[in-house]
Amino acid sequence: DSGVTQTPKHLITATGQRVTLRCSPRSGDLSVYWYQQSLDQGLQFLIQYYNGEERAKGNILERFSAQQFPDLHSELNLSSLELGDSALYFCASSPPVSGEAFFGQGTRLTVV
Amino acid sequence: AQKVTQAQTEISVVEKEDVTLDCVYETRDTTYYLFWYKQPPSGELVFLIRRNSFDEQNEISGRYSWNFQKSTSSFNFTITASQVVDSAVYFCALIITSGTYKYIFGTGTRLKVLA
Repeated sequence: DSGVTQTPKHLITATGQRVTLRCSPRSGDLSVYWYQQSLDQGLQFLIQYYNGEERAKGNILERFSAQQFPDLHSELNLSSLELGDSALYFCASSPPVSGEAFFGQGTRLTVV
Repeated sequence: AQKVTQAQTEISVVEKEDVTLDCVYETRDTTYYLFWYKQPPSGELVFLIRRNSFDEQNEISGRYSWNFQKSTSSFNFTITASQVVDSAVYFCALIITSGTYKYIFGTGTRLKVLA
């Protein structure tokens, strides 16, 4: 158990819908990262937050947004969903100094 | 440009064989980290090792060892006496820490260890 909690574990939704994925980082970790893993794109970095502020942005679509709340949990919002958004979405957290990231078990999103 | 190449898409070995997973990275930055992660069939990502760009010491952890060579921009991972439980997809990753952080993953190497 990495200490990072992601909910829900599985999500099935229809095209055009909006979903929110939630991540609770390990206690004491200030950084939260979001990744997308799909069959054709591999593991892609989406976005990083550090203590509530956006720190780095990767290949995140405009239909996607994220935020980190004062209690450090984070949410990834995916809207106008398309079939191609079906993927495993991972959240990871890391402590203030170390570059080491610990991953949650992922949320498997299926868009039908 | 920053890039991580894991040229081996899939490797199959028989139990107890040694196996090396290759990772070649590209970056002009002088400050970066290299990681290896394991993704077993259950799907989660498990951290294995972190190396910073200033530390070229090789590392051994049980049956696992890592060879970091800046001269060839490689960070290879060797499993000695492989076991069936080592079957997984292994990802190498490059994290650039100068300025805006950037995270680049390789496409992964699927390792199958046969009994």
